[in-house]
Amino acid sequence: AQSVTQLGSHVSVSEGALVLLRCNYSSSVPPYLFWYVQYPNQGLQLLLKYTSAATLVKGINGFEAEFKKSETSFHLTKPSAHMSDAAEYFCAVSARSSYKLIFGSGTRLLVRP
Amino acid sequence: GAGVSQSPSNKVTEKGKDVELRCDPISGHTALYWYRQSLGQGLEFLIYFQGNSAPDKSGLPSDRFSAERTGGSVSTLTIQRTQQEDSAVYLCASSSLGPSGEQYFGPGTRLTVT
Repeated sequence: AQSVTQLGSHVSVSEGALVLLRCNYSSSVPPYLFWYVQYPNQGLQLLLKYTSAATLVKGINGFEAEFKKSETSFHLTKPSAHMSDAAEYFCAVSARSSYKLIFGSGTRLLVRP
Repeated sequence: GAGVSQSPSNKVTEKGKDVELRCDPISGHTALYWYRQSLGQGLEFLIYFQGNSAPDKSGLPSDRFSAERTGGSVSTLTIQRTQQEDSAVYLCASSSLGPSGEQYFGPGTRLTVT
């Protein structure tokens, strides 16, 4: 069975600092991996996805993530945090043969001025 | 173009009542999904529709939950005899590609069972 673990329910960074949100997955076969962002009272928006092309994936709003098979990780990074990045971030996995997303528990990013 | 829309945005109901939640997917999207977001359980898959194929109902938590998709477009999620543990935000998503495709989410319906 597939699963996703996000370390840290809350991450706090200063504006301009590096953002690192951790995601580890469990899957018996190479999965598809996604990062979604959720702003208050809104639905989820896709930041980026890994579908077995390049292992370093660039997304919207300056975010990127690197797929590391040996570490079963797909951590999300951004070099410099902006106040508008404050939101909840979800890592998700889907099997290549399945359409449903399995989500992690989410990480709330707080950006301090 | 228009995104995924859901109605109502908020629903308060008494325990034991039935509720219907509506989802209008993006036009042309063949796949439609329902998820539930609650404090205790996080984001959970409920059900998936793809074209005319039989839906994947593997995530429905009990037989009180059902969903249908009419004409390959609008979907309705029905919860019968609501319980307090059904309180959550119900999210609908649609997509036009396979498993690697982006799922576009609606704003959700916040259900409160009193």
